Amino acid sequence: AQKVTQAQTEISVVEKEDVTLDCVYETRDTTYYLFWYKQPPSGELVFLIRRNSFDEQNEISGRYSWNFQKSTSSFNFTITASQVVDSAVYFCAAPCTGGGNKLTFGTGTQLKVEL
Amino acid sequence: GAGVSQSPRYKVTKRGQDVALRCDPISGHVSLYWYRQALGQGPEFLTYFNYEAQQDKSGLPNDRFSAERPEGSISTLTIQRTEQRDSAMYRCASSNTGGPYEQYFGPGTRLTVT
Repeated sequence: AQKVTQAQTEISVVEKEDVTLDCVYETRDTTYYLFWYKQPPSGELVFLIRRNSFDEQNEISGRYSWNFQKSTSSFNFTITASQVVDSAVYFCAAPCTGGGNKLTFGTGTQLKVEL
Repeated sequence: GAGVSQSPRYKVTKRGQDVALRCDPISGHVSLYWYRQALGQGPEFLTYFNYEAQQDKSGLPNDRFSAERPEGSISTLTIQRTEQRDSAMYRCASSNTGGPYEQYFGPGTRLTVT
C-alpha cells in the first residue's frame, strides 16, 4: 500500500492567517492519484480534491490551493485567510499500489482557527 | 438519494451479539467501500465492491467480519460475536466508476460494544 504521512498533528492559527497543511507520500507507481478530505466537528468526511500525478498545474479553489511537488513527493494544502469554519481535521489520502481503489489515509491534521 | 446514507447512525451492542450495518450508496455508483475509523486516526480500508462483486476483502480483520452487496446497490457489513475492540466508526463510501475516482463518504455508523 502507499504510505501517507501528515507530520503535523495539530495546528492553531488566528482567523485570517494563511496556513499550510503538509502531506508526504510514498509510492512505486509512475502514475497515481492523491486526495484531500475534510472532517469537520460534525464528523462527516467531505471530499475536497483529487489530483493526478501527471498534471503539473497546481489547483486553486477559492481560498484553497494545493501544491503538488513530484520531486519531493509532497501534496500540500494551503488555506488563505483562514476562517473559523475551516476548523476541522484534514486528511490526505492515496490509493494503494496495485490494490484497486482502496485508499490509504494519513493520520490527519487537526486545524483550529480561532478568533 | 442525494448522498451516501448509512444506518443505524449509532449502535450500542453487548459483547457477543451480531450486528449488521447498512450502506445505501449514491444512486448509480458502481463501487462501494467500507472503512473503519478509530478515534484520532484516518479511515482504514476494510473491503470494496464493484457492482455486486466483492473485489477486495483484505482489510477485514478476521472471519467475524463479512460484507455483501447482492444486487449491486445496498451493502451490509456484518460483524458476528462482537468484541469491545470492534468499537469504532464504520464508514461507507461510493464512487461512480471502478477507477481511482473520488469516493464520497456517508455519515458513518458509530458502533459501541459494551
